[in-house]
Amino acid sequence: GAVVSQHPSWVICKSGTSVKIECRSLDFQATTMFWYRQFPKQSLMLMATSNEGSKATYEQGVEKDKFLINHASLTLSTLTVTSAHPEDSSFYICSAPTPGTTIDEQYFGPGTRLTVT
Amino acid sequence: SQQGEEDPQALSIQEGENATMNCSYKTSINNLQWYRQNSGRGLVHLILIRSNEREKHSGRLRVTLDTSKKSSSLLITASRAADTASYFCATDEGQAGTALIFGKGTTLSVSS
Repeated sequence: GAVVSQHPSWVICKSGTSVKIECRSLDFQATTMFWYRQFPKQSLMLMATSNEGSKATYEQGVEKDKFLINHASLTLSTLTVTSAHPEDSSFYICSAPTPGTTIDEQYFGPGTRLTVT
Repeated sequence: SQQGEEDPQALSIQEGENATMNCSYKTSINNLQWYRQNSGRGLVHLILIRSNEREKHSGRLRVTLDTSKKSSSLLITASRAADTASYFCATDEGQAGTALIFGKGTTLSVSS
């Protein structure tokens, strides 16, 4: 099946710094990717939809100037958490829908655990 | 916003017993999926059931879907300690290729 990777798998940063998380589709092209956030003991919440060649669309309550999304190519989307604060500490997961078929599975990356100190 | 609501929120059983988790959702769907997540890890896709299907099996897993009640259930038979994890249902909103909306999840603990 299709594979989605994320890098890094975990990162610790200091408050006020920025962190970039990469999401790559390894063996297929993804014009759309989704970014989710999961706080401890909670479910996944959709943050934004990343669109290749156009601006990302953000869910209500997600600050677009804080969570910068760039869909640089058909295989890469990046999420940059700017001026990170401890409350941004979370598990960030990306996904991409199955391309070019009628099968509706989504392929999820392994996630990136961000800890802001 | 969250579409699915799982019930129960937590479930503790003994090895060999069956575990049943329920999920309710609010809008029309194209399909419904169940995922497993071990603590601190990524998601593992378990099973997908389409809106025109009523039941689906995969190994020890049995999923049912009742679109009239907007609900689904996941049954794990003959549970094992390795089944200990959080289980989430996830739905689209009636359109293929859209983001998934996850339920709050059920935390299953299987003791030996």
